[in-house]
Amino acid sequence: AQSVTQPDIHITVSEGASLELRCNYSYGATPYLFWYVQSPGQGLQLLLKYFSGDTLVQGIKGFEAEFKRSQSSFNLRKPSVHWSDAAEYFCAVMNSGYSTLTFGKGTMLLVSP
Amino acid sequence: ETGVTQSPTHLIKTRGQQVTLRCSSQSGHNTVSWYQQALGQGPQFIFQYYREEENGRGNFPPRFSGLQFPNYSSELNVNALELDDSALYLCASSPSGQGTEAFFGQGTRLTVV
Repeated sequence: AQSVTQPDIHITVSEGASLELRCNYSYGATPYLFWYVQSPGQGLQLLLKYFSGDTLVQGIKGFEAEFKRSQSSFNLRKPSVHWSDAAEYFCAVMNSGYSTLTFGKGTMLLVSP
Repeated sequence: ETGVTQSPTHLIKTRGQQVTLRCSSQSGHNTVSWYQQALGQGPQFIFQYYREEENGRGNFPPRFSGLQFPNYSSELNVNALELDDSALYLCASSPSGQGTEAFFGQGTRLTVV
């Protein structure tokens, strides 16, 4: 069965600094991968997705992620973090059979002044 | 284009009671999935409906059941509520087809006391 690991429960970054959130997945075939963001008490907003092709994908709000098959990773990056980026971030892999998602446990991003 | 809407936004139920949560899918989407997100966890897949038929189920007991209507809206029913059922319940809709993107509603926060 597929699984997603987000090794960092919390990360604190200074405003203006760069950000990298880690995600490792386990999946037998070519994965469909996603990053979602969730503000407190809210639903999930899609930041970006990888289906195939270029391994560096661009998303909304200045985020990007790189798919590395050899490392089973799909890390999320942003060159300069803004205070409004403080939220919880979820990495997910899609079950191609049912188009459902398996999520990691999330990484809470805190942004310090 | 109307997004995914869920109702109610919050509710409180007593252990042993039954609850029904509702979801209106995004226009043109015929697939609805439900997820349970416990506090501090990532969302977990409950089940998926496609054209009014259950199309996949996660590791949840039979007291979790659902319906999808001809207009593709959906209900999640939970019988014999337990304290551990307290969570944010998320509905996601998507068009049919492998690897299509899911759009999430804002969720229903259920508290069981």
